[in-house]
Amino acid sequence: AQSVTQLDSHVSVSEGTPVLLRCNYSSSYSPSLFWYVQHPNKGLQLLLKYTSAATLVKGINGFEAEFKKSETSFHLTKPSAHMSDAAEYFCVVTYAMDSSYKLIFGSGTRLLVRP
Amino acid sequence: DGGITQSPKYLFRKEGQNVTLSCEQNLNHDAMYWYRQDPGQGLRLIYYSQIVNDFQKGDIAEGYSVSREKKESFPLTVTSAQKNPTAFYLCASSPQTGGAETQYFGPGTRLLVL
Repeated sequence: AQSVTQLDSHVSVSEGTPVLLRCNYSSSYSPSLFWYVQHPNKGLQLLLKYTSAATLVKGINGFEAEFKKSETSFHLTKPSAHMSDAAEYFCVVTYAMDSSYKLIFGSGTRLLVRP
Repeated sequence: DGGITQSPKYLFRKEGQNVTLSCEQNLNHDAMYWYRQDPGQGLRLIYYSQIVNDFQKGDIAEGYSVSREKKESFPLTVTSAQKNPTAFYLCASSPQTGGAETQYFGPGTRLLVL
């Protein structure tokens, strides 16, 4: 069965310092993995997507994530946090559903950025 | 501009009332989805539709109904049978290419019970 666990419900960093948001997944086959960001009372925006090509995936706004099969992890990182990065981040794993794909969402990590 | 629109932004429901949330997309996507988001939780799938005039139940379909009469529209009705409807509702769409395509999300509708 597919599942995804976000290891931290809240992460707080100072502006200009690195960001690490942790995600572990469980999948019975090679998964597709996503990170989405949600600003307050807004819809979700795709940050990046892994689909079995390069294991290091670069996304928008300077974010990147590395797929590590041996660790079943897909952690999201950014070298230097900006105030505008404050939001909720969701790690997502997919599985096949009929002829489509279902998204399974983690419970989210709220990123706080201190000035 | 291509995208997904949801209306209204806020919706208030009285006890025993059915309400309908609108979702429209001009991305020419075949598949559309409805999710419910509760505080501190990820999204849960209510219904999805892969093609016009066809839809399937998701994980939490009880108390909800949908229709897909047009490719670009996928309205969600929250019926009086849904006893805890207060939540943030998100609509999404994706192309159907046989792979794990990205889902694109609308801005959401927040439903509150009076």
